[in-house]
Amino acid sequence: DAKTTQPPSMDCAEGRAANLPCNHSTISGNEYVYWYRQIHSQGPQYIIHGLKNNETNEMASLIITEDRKSSTLILPHATLRDTAVYYCIVRVGFYNQGGKLIFGQGTELSVKP
Amino acid sequence: GAVVSQHPSWVICKSGTSVKIECRSLDFQATTMFWYRQFPKQSLMLMATSNEGSKATYEQGVEKDKFLINHASLTLSTLTVTSAHPEDSSFYICSARDSGGAGELFFGEGSRLTVL
Repeated sequence: DAKTTQPPSMDCAEGRAANLPCNHSTISGNEYVYWYRQIHSQGPQYIIHGLKNNETNEMASLIITEDRKSSTLILPHATLRDTAVYYCIVRVGFYNQGGKLIFGQGTELSVKP
Repeated sequence: GAVVSQHPSWVICKSGTSVKIECRSLDFQATTMFWYRQFPKQSLMLMATSNEGSKATYEQGVEKDKFLINHASLTLSTLTVTSAHPEDSSFYICSARDSGGAGELFFGEGSRLTVL
Protein backbone atom coordinates (compact mmCIF):
# COMPACT_ATOMS: atom_id res chain seq x y z
CA ASP A 1 0.00 0.00 0.00
CA ALA A 2 1.15 3.54 -0.76
CA LYS A 3 2.75 5.64 1.95
CA THR A 4 1.14 8.82 3.24
CA THR A 5 2.63 11.99 4.70
CA GLN A 6 0.71 14.15 7.14
CA PRO A 7 1.74 17.10 9.31
CA PRO A 8 2.22 15.89 12.89
CA SER A 9 -0.03 18.54 14.41
CA MET A 10 -2.44 21.34 13.57
CA ASP A 11 -4.56 23.85 15.47
CA CYS A 12 -7.97 25.11 14.51
CA ALA A 13 -10.31 27.65 16.04
CA GLU A 14 -13.69 26.38 17.16
CA GLY A 15 -16.36 27.03 14.54
CA ARG A 16 -13.85 27.38 11.73
CA ALA A 17 -13.15 24.85 9.01
CA ALA A 18 -10.33 22.42 9.70
CA ASN A 19 -8.39 21.43 6.58
CA LEU A 20 -6.15 18.43 7.08
CA PRO A 21 -3.74 17.66 4.22
CA CYS A 22 -2.33 14.32 3.18
CA ASN A 23 0.27 13.54 0.56
CA HIS A 24 0.20 10.17 -1.19
CA SER A 25 2.33 10.68 -4.28
CA THR A 26 2.85 6.94 -4.92
CA ILE A 27 -0.83 6.05 -4.92
CA SER A 28 -1.88 3.42 -7.44
CA GLY A 29 -4.93 3.51 -9.65
CA ASN A 30 -6.87 0.99 -7.59
CA GLU A 31 -6.07 2.49 -4.20
CA TYR A 32 -8.58 4.40 -2.14
CA VAL A 33 -7.95 7.21 0.34
CA TYR A 34 -9.43 6.51 3.78
CA TRP A 35 -9.66 8.82 6.76
CA TYR A 36 -10.08 7.70 10.35
CA ARG A 37 -9.77 9.59 13.58
CA GLN A 38 -8.95 8.53 17.10
CA ILE A 39 -10.09 10.46 20.11
CA HIS A 40 -7.88 9.94 23.13
CA SER A 41 -8.08 6.41 24.59
CA GLN A 42 -10.79 5.27 22.18
CA GLY A 43 -10.85 3.07 19.11
CA PRO A 44 -10.49 4.66 15.67
CA GLN A 45 -13.62 6.02 14.03
CA TYR A 46 -14.24 5.87 10.29
CA ILE A 47 -14.79 9.30 8.70
CA ILE A 48 -14.84 9.03 4.93
CA HIS A 49 -13.14 7.46 1.94
CA GLY A 50 -12.84 8.11 -1.79
CA LEU A 51 -11.17 6.93 -4.97
CA LYS A 52 -10.94 9.95 -7.26
CA ASN A 53 -14.09 11.99 -6.90
CA ASN A 54 -14.65 14.40 -4.04
CA GLU A 55 -16.85 12.95 -1.34
CA THR A 56 -19.04 14.45 1.36
CA ASN A 57 -20.94 12.96 4.25
CA GLU A 58 -22.41 14.20 7.49
CA MET A 59 -19.02 14.35 9.15
CA ALA A 60 -16.65 15.74 6.56
CA SER A 61 -15.67 16.38 2.98
CA LEU A 62 -12.80 14.75 1.13
CA ILE A 63 -11.10 16.63 -1.67
CA ILE A 64 -8.78 14.58 -3.87
CA THR A 65 -6.55 16.34 -6.39
CA GLU A 66 -6.94 15.45 -10.03
CA ASP A 67 -3.61 13.59 -10.12
CA ARG A 68 -4.64 11.84 -6.85
CA LYS A 69 -1.27 12.54 -5.28
CA SER A 70 -2.75 14.44 -2.39
CA SER A 71 -6.01 14.98 -0.59
CA THR A 72 -7.57 17.20 2.05
CA LEU A 73 -10.06 16.29 4.73
CA ILE A 74 -12.33 19.17 5.61
CA LEU A 75 -14.29 19.44 8.84
CA PRO A 76 -16.56 22.39 7.94
CA HIS A 77 -17.29 23.69 11.43
CA ALA A 78 -14.82 22.25 13.90
CA THR A 79 -15.94 21.76 17.50
CA LEU A 80 -13.96 20.95 20.61
CA ARG A 81 -15.10 17.34 20.25
CA ASP A 82 -13.24 17.11 16.95
CA THR A 83 -9.92 17.25 18.81
CA ALA A 84 -8.30 13.93 17.87
CA VAL A 85 -5.57 12.28 15.84
CA TYR A 86 -6.58 12.02 12.19
CA TYR A 87 -5.18 9.24 10.05
CA CYS A 88 -5.00 9.27 6.26
CA ILE A 89 -4.58 5.74 4.88
CA VAL A 90 -4.16 4.70 1.28
CA ARG A 91 -4.94 1.13 0.29
CA VAL A 92 -6.86 -1.06 -2.07
CA GLY A 93 -10.55 -1.47 -1.32
CA PHE A 94 -11.80 -3.36 1.71
CA TYR A 95 -12.70 -6.35 -0.39
CA ASN A 96 -9.11 -7.10 -1.26
CA GLN A 97 -6.08 -8.39 0.59
CA GLY A 98 -8.02 -9.15 3.73
CA GLY A 99 -8.96 -5.53 4.27
CA LYS A 100 -6.28 -4.68 6.81
CA LEU A 101 -5.45 -1.05 7.55
CA ILE A 102 -1.92 0.09 8.25
CA PHE A 103 -1.81 3.29 10.30
CA GLY A 104 0.83 5.99 9.93
CA GLN A 105 1.55 8.68 12.50
CA GLY A 106 -1.44 10.86 11.69
CA THR A 107 -2.14 14.52 12.42
CA GLU A 108 -3.01 15.60 15.94
CA LEU A 109 -5.73 18.23 15.53
CA SER A 110 -6.37 20.56 18.44
CA VAL A 111 -9.54 22.60 18.24
CA LYS A 112 -9.28 25.63 20.48
CA PRO A 113 -12.08 27.82 21.86
CA GLY B 1 -23.95 1.90 12.84
CA ALA B 2 -22.20 -1.41 13.33
CA VAL B 3 -20.81 -2.06 16.78
CA VAL B 4 -17.72 -3.92 17.85
CA SER B 5 -17.42 -4.61 21.55
CA GLN B 6 -14.26 -5.38 23.47
CA HIS B 7 -14.08 -6.89 26.91
CA PRO B 8 -12.62 -6.08 29.31
CA SER B 9 -12.14 -2.39 28.64
CA TRP B 10 -9.31 -2.35 31.14
CA VAL B 11 -7.46 -5.02 33.10
CA ILE B 12 -4.63 -5.11 35.60
CA CYS B 13 -2.72 -8.33 36.11
CA LYS B 14 0.40 -9.62 37.78
CA SER B 15 3.53 -10.42 35.82
CA GLY B 16 3.56 -14.01 34.60
CA THR B 17 -0.19 -14.43 34.34
CA SER B 18 -2.23 -14.71 31.15
CA VAL B 19 -4.95 -12.31 30.09
CA LYS B 20 -7.73 -12.88 27.56
CA ILE B 21 -9.34 -10.04 25.64
CA GLU B 22 -12.55 -10.60 23.69
CA CYS B 23 -13.67 -8.84 20.51
CA ARG B 24 -17.28 -9.26 19.42
CA SER B 25 -19.15 -7.98 16.40
CA LEU B 26 -22.62 -7.29 17.79
CA ASP B 27 -24.79 -6.86 14.71
CA PHE B 28 -22.85 -8.32 11.82
CA GLN B 29 -20.77 -11.33 10.95
CA ALA B 30 -17.03 -10.96 10.64
CA THR B 31 -14.95 -13.68 9.02
CA THR B 32 -11.93 -11.43 9.45
CA MET B 33 -10.87 -9.46 12.51
CA PHE B 34 -7.68 -7.56 13.21
CA TRP B 35 -5.73 -6.96 16.40
CA TYR B 36 -3.71 -3.82 17.00
CA ARG B 37 -1.49 -2.63 19.82
CA GLN B 38 -0.90 1.00 20.70
CA PHE B 39 1.70 2.38 23.08
CA PRO B 40 1.33 5.89 24.56
CA LYS B 41 1.84 8.71 22.08
CA GLN B 42 2.26 6.22 19.23
CA SER B 43 0.16 5.06 16.33
CA LEU B 44 -1.67 1.76 16.08
CA MET B 45 0.50 -1.20 15.18
CA LEU B 46 -1.13 -4.14 13.44
CA MET B 47 -0.35 -7.37 15.28
CA ALA B 48 -2.30 -10.02 13.45
CA THR B 49 -5.20 -10.90 11.20
CA SER B 50 -7.70 -13.28 12.71
CA ASN B 51 -9.64 -15.55 10.33
CA GLU B 52 -12.70 -17.49 11.43
CA GLY B 53 -12.02 -21.21 11.50
CA SER B 54 -8.34 -20.97 10.63
CA LYS B 55 -5.03 -19.88 12.06
CA ALA B 56 -4.25 -16.23 12.54
CA THR B 57 -1.72 -14.47 10.36
CA TYR B 58 0.83 -12.55 12.41
CA GLU B 59 2.74 -9.47 11.33
CA GLN B 60 6.51 -9.61 11.29
CA GLY B 61 8.03 -9.36 14.73
CA VAL B 62 4.90 -10.41 16.64
CA GLU B 63 5.35 -13.57 18.70
CA LYS B 64 2.50 -15.94 17.93
CA ASP B 65 3.19 -18.08 20.99
CA LYS B 66 2.88 -15.06 23.23
CA PHE B 67 -0.18 -13.52 21.63
CA LEU B 68 -2.63 -16.35 21.05
CA ILE B 69 -5.53 -15.55 18.77
CA ASN B 70 -8.66 -17.65 18.43
CA HIS B 71 -11.52 -16.87 16.06
CA ALA B 72 -13.96 -19.66 16.77
CA SER B 73 -17.14 -18.03 15.53
CA LEU B 74 -18.27 -15.39 13.05
CA THR B 75 -18.79 -12.87 15.83
CA LEU B 76 -15.98 -13.52 18.31
CA SER B 77 -12.20 -13.33 18.28
CA THR B 78 -10.04 -13.55 21.38
CA LEU B 79 -6.51 -12.39 22.06
CA THR B 80 -4.68 -14.04 24.93
CA VAL B 81 -1.50 -12.43 26.20
CA THR B 82 0.40 -15.32 27.75
CA SER B 83 2.89 -14.93 30.59
CA ALA B 84 2.39 -11.18 30.54
CA HIS B 85 5.22 -8.86 31.50
CA PRO B 86 5.24 -5.11 32.19
CA GLU B 87 6.42 -4.40 28.64
CA ASP B 88 3.17 -5.95 27.38
CA SER B 89 1.24 -3.13 29.03
CA SER B 90 -0.52 -1.39 26.18
CA PHE B 91 -3.82 -0.44 24.59
CA TYR B 92 -5.13 -3.35 22.52
CA ILE B 93 -7.69 -2.60 19.81
CA CYS B 94 -9.59 -4.94 17.55
CA SER B 95 -11.42 -4.29 14.33
CA ALA B 96 -13.88 -6.46 12.45
CA ARG B 97 -14.68 -6.55 8.76
CA ASP B 98 -18.36 -6.77 7.88
CA SER B 99 -18.57 -9.91 5.75
CA GLY B 100 -22.07 -9.24 4.55
CA GLY B 101 -21.92 -5.57 3.77
CA ALA B 102 -19.48 -3.55 1.70
CA GLY B 103 -16.57 -4.90 3.66
CA GLU B 104 -16.24 -1.92 5.97
CA LEU B 105 -13.98 -2.13 9.00
CA PHE B 106 -15.33 -1.24 12.42
CA PHE B 107 -13.21 -0.76 15.50
CA GLY B 108 -13.75 -1.68 19.11
CA GLU B 109 -13.20 0.79 21.94
CA GLY B 110 -9.96 -0.83 23.00
CA SER B 111 -8.73 -2.71 26.05
CA ARG B 112 -6.08 -1.22 28.30
CA LEU B 113 -3.77 -3.82 29.82
CA THR B 114 -1.51 -2.96 32.73
CA VAL B 115 0.93 -5.62 33.89
CA LEU B 116 2.40 -5.07 37.34
